[in-house]
Amino acid sequence: EVQLVESGGGLVQPGRSLRLSCAASGFTFDDYAMHWVRQAPGKGLEWVSGISWNSGSIGYADSVKGRFTISRDNAKNSLYLQMNSLRTEDTALYYCAKNSLAARDVGHFDYWGQGTLVTVSS
Amino acid sequence: QSVLTQPPSVSGAPGQRVTISCTGSSSNIGAGYDVHWYQQLPGTAPKLLIYGNSNRPSGVPDRFSGSKSGTSASLAITGLQAEDEADYYCRSYDSSLSGLVFGGGTKLTVL
Repeated sequence: EVQLVESGGGLVQPGRSLRLSCAASGFTFDDYAMHWVRQAPGKGLEWVSGISWNSGSIGYADSVKGRFTISRDNAKNSLYLQMNSLRTEDTALYYCAKNSLAARDVGHFDYWGQGTLVTVSS
Repeated sequence: QSVLTQPPSVSGAPGQRVTISCTGSSSNIGAGYDVHWYQQLPGTAPKLLIYGNSNRPSGVPDRFSGSKSGTSASLAITGLQAEDEADYYCRSYDSSLSGLVFGGGTKLTVL
C-alpha cells in the first residue's frame, strides 16, 4: 500500500525557515518524480515544486522561486521542502504527491499524503 | 487568477448530469498537454479522478468521464449522487511557466 506521510509543519514567524519532510513507502521511491502541492485555508490547490526521480530536473512555482528548495534522498525514501524567508501568504496545508512517471513534468499525481499545516504568523 | 479557468460552482439534483469545464490556452491545454482531474471531499486530501484527459483509475465509477478539445477540457458526472458533493480541480502543464498548473476548483453541490 502506498503511503506518504508529511511532517515538519508548525507555527513560524515571517522571515523564518521551516523544513518539511515526506516519508514514502509501499512503492519503489526512486522510480518516480515527486511534488509538493499546497492549499491555503479555504482556497484551491497550488503546485509548489517538483523533482524528477534522480533530482536531475527540478521546478518551482514563481511564488516560491528563490525561497524554497526541494530535494529528495532516495536511500531514505524521503522528499523534503526547505522553506526560507517565509511569508504570511505561505500559510497553507502542504501535500506531498507521488507522480505516476519518473519525469517531473509529465504524468499525474496518483497518490497524495494527508498534508502538514504551515502557519506563518507573528 | 488561475491559469486554468473553472466555474466556481455547479449544482445538480440526484440522478442528473453535470459538467465542469476547464479552460486554458495555447501554452497549456491547447499545446497538447494532458489534463488530469482530482476530487477533494470535504476535509480530505485530493484524489485522482481522471488522468490523461479521459482515463479512469481503477475504482473510479464510470459515472465520471473526461474529455479534451482545443484549449479546454471537461469533466462529466452522470447519475449524480450525494457522495459526489466535493471540490473538483483540473491540472495540466504550462510551457510558458515551465510548471504545473491547477484550475481554481469547482464546488459541486448535490441539491
